[in-house]
Amino acid sequence: EAQVTQNPRYLITVTGKKLTVTCSQNMNHEYMSWYRQDPGLGLRQIYYSMNVEVTDKGDVPEGYKVSRKEKRNFPLILESPSPNQTSLYFCASSPLGAGLHTEAFFGQGTRLTVV
Amino acid sequence: AQTVTQSQPEMSVQEAETVTLSCTYDTSESDYYLFWYKQPPSRQMILVIRQEAYKQQNATENRFSVNFQKAAKSFSLKISDSQLGDAAMYFCAYRSSYNNNDMRFGAGTRLTVKP
Repeated sequence: EAQVTQNPRYLITVTGKKLTVTCSQNMNHEYMSWYRQDPGLGLRQIYYSMNVEVTDKGDVPEGYKVSRKEKRNFPLILESPSPNQTSLYFCASSPLGAGLHTEAFFGQGTRLTVV
Repeated sequence: AQTVTQSQPEMSVQEAETVTLSCTYDTSESDYYLFWYKQPPSRQMILVIRQEAYKQQNATENRFSVNFQKAAKSFSLKISDSQLGDAAMYFCAYRSSYNNNDMRFGAGTRLTVKP
C-alpha cells in the first residue's frame, strides 16, 4: 500500500529536549516536505527536499532541521523545542516533473506539545 | 510568493443541500495546479479534487465539483447532496510548476453538516 508513515502521532515534551519526528514514504517520490498546521493559518511549509541531499527552507524554518540521506526518509529535528512549536505537523511526499499534477500524499500527522 | 485565501472560516449546510466553499489565489504564473483537501477529525489529509490550470473544463468527482475561473484566480468547491460524512475542515491548495514546485495552502474552512 502506497503511504507516508509518520511517527510518533502524539508527543509531549519539555522545553529544550531534542526530538525527532520520523517520516518515510514507499512511493519513490522525489519531493518531500514538512508542514505545521495552526488554527487560522492553515498549513505552512517548514522545509522541503527535492531529492537526496537536497533540502531547502520553507516559510517557517526557524527552530527546525531536516536531513535527506535516503530517498524514502525525511526526518524533522527540533534541537531545542520551545512552546511556540506546539502544533500539528505533517510530512508529505509527491513526484516531480510529469507528476506535478498528482496530489501530495500526507502522513497521519504528529500532534506535538512542548511544555 | 503565491498566496491562497479562504475567506470563510466556517460554513454550515443542511444535509442533502448544496454548499460552495470559496478560494482565491494570487499568482503571476500561467501553469499551476489547484487542489481541495478534506481533513476530517481523524486529521488525515484526503484529496477531494484537483484542477490543472491549463484545462478550461471544471473538474468533477461525484458530488464534488469546482468552479475554476482562471482570470479571476478563483477556485471554489461545490458539494452537492451534502452528507454527514462531509463534515470536515477543507483546505484549498496551489502547487507551482516553477517555484520548486511549492505547494501553498489556505487557512481552511470548517464545514458543519446539519441533519
